[in-house]
Order: sequence, then C-alpha cells, then structure tokens
Amino acid sequence: DADVTQTPRNRITKTGKRIMLECSQTKGHDRMYWYRQDPGLGLRLIYYSFDVKDINKGEISDGYSVSRQAQAKFSLSLESAIPNQTALYFCATSPTLGAGANVLTFGAGSRLTVL
Amino acid sequence: SQQGEEDPQALSIQEGENATMNCSYKTSINNLQWYRQNSGRGLVHLILIRSNEREKHSGRLRVTLDTSKKSSSLLITASRAADTASYFCATGVISGNTPLVFGKGTRLSVIA
Repeated sequence: DADVTQTPRNRITKTGKRIMLECSQTKGHDRMYWYRQDPGLGLRLIYYSFDVKDINKGEISDGYSVSRQAQAKFSLSLESAIPNQTALYFCATSPTLGAGANVLTFGAGSRLTVL
Repeated sequence: SQQGEEDPQALSIQEGENATMNCSYKTSINNLQWYRQNSGRGLVHLILIRSNEREKHSGRLRVTLDTSKKSSSLLITASRAADTASYFCATGVISGNTPLVFGKGTRLSVIA
C-alpha cells in the first residue's frame, strides 16, 4: 500500500458541484499539505497543516477549504467547483523533526476536471 | 509566488550524456531540495542540500549550492532513458515552519 493515498484518482464534475478530495497517510507524519499543479506553473500550495489542530492558508486558498480529521487524514474541498480549478492535486506529508524534516512524501495525485 | 526558478525549462539529450539543470531563488534558505516527477505522477524526493553545504552526491546525482549567488545545480551523469522526467527544485526558508516552495520545473527528455 502507498504511504500517501489520495482518492479519487480521477474525477470529472460540473461547475457548481461540491467536491472533496481525500488524503490518508501511514507515514506517521504530523505535517500535511495540499498542492495544485497546472501545466507550466509548477506546484502551488493551497493549504497546509502542521498538526491536527493547525490549519494554514497557502498561496492559492481562495475557493478551497480543508479539514484535518486526524493525524493521518487531510481532505480538500471545493465548495462550488469552477472550470479554472481543473488541475492535478497533490497531497504531501513531512515529519516535523529528524533527518527527514521538511522532506515531502507525495501521493499519486488526483486529477480533477471541472466542466 | 515561486521562490525557485529552474533553467532550462526543457532539455533534450542523448542517453549517456550528462544533464545539468539550474535553480535560482530569491530569499535566504535553510535547505534546497530536488524532486523528480514522472509524467502525471507524484513527486519523488531526490536529494537535500543544506545552506552550509556546497556539494552533495547521491549515486549519479550531484547537487551544488552557491548561497552567495542564490543558485543550485543538479547534474545527472551518464543519463538513461528512465531519467526522462520533470525535475523541480524546492526551497525551505530559514524559519523552518514555512512549507517548501517549488519552482516550475525542468522537463528532461533522454533519447535512447
């Protein structure tokens, strides 16, 4: 099983629909992140969480919300999807301390298409 | 906004040649990392270099860091077709509590 699992892997939806992308991890990491990737624009940070009670906005949080249900789960919601939210979404995790601190482990991605 | 900026945007080489990618950044950093992404897949961490290090090796990878020029380079020696991927630099700033900021990536094509 993957260390960081994202569901769904692919989703096509219509403008105005509510969408939830889920992420779960078995790494035991405290820190979790949601990034968005668009062609030619690299990865941009949407939201991040350093522990269960911590939620922070990233560079492009407008139109998105998140929930950190447990240490292992971090979900991203689009309350009312619009076409320019069509993108590849990545969840990532990292430990807080130790040699691997700040090194990200990524999920396989969720490709979202909004029609 | 992107902190790191990779150069070139795309690179095409023959198998066996060396590939060099560069990353420039704007603010003071704690560390700089390189990640690889195969088409449409999640990014995979390759190597981390700290601000007090100048060079680091991992297998066929060599990373250099010049903090005075705010730049880093990734060298892949004796490239293989399997090295075809996008490569991203990511910077970690001094505070340690700010998430990594990624560049836009270099698309490497290795032709067999």
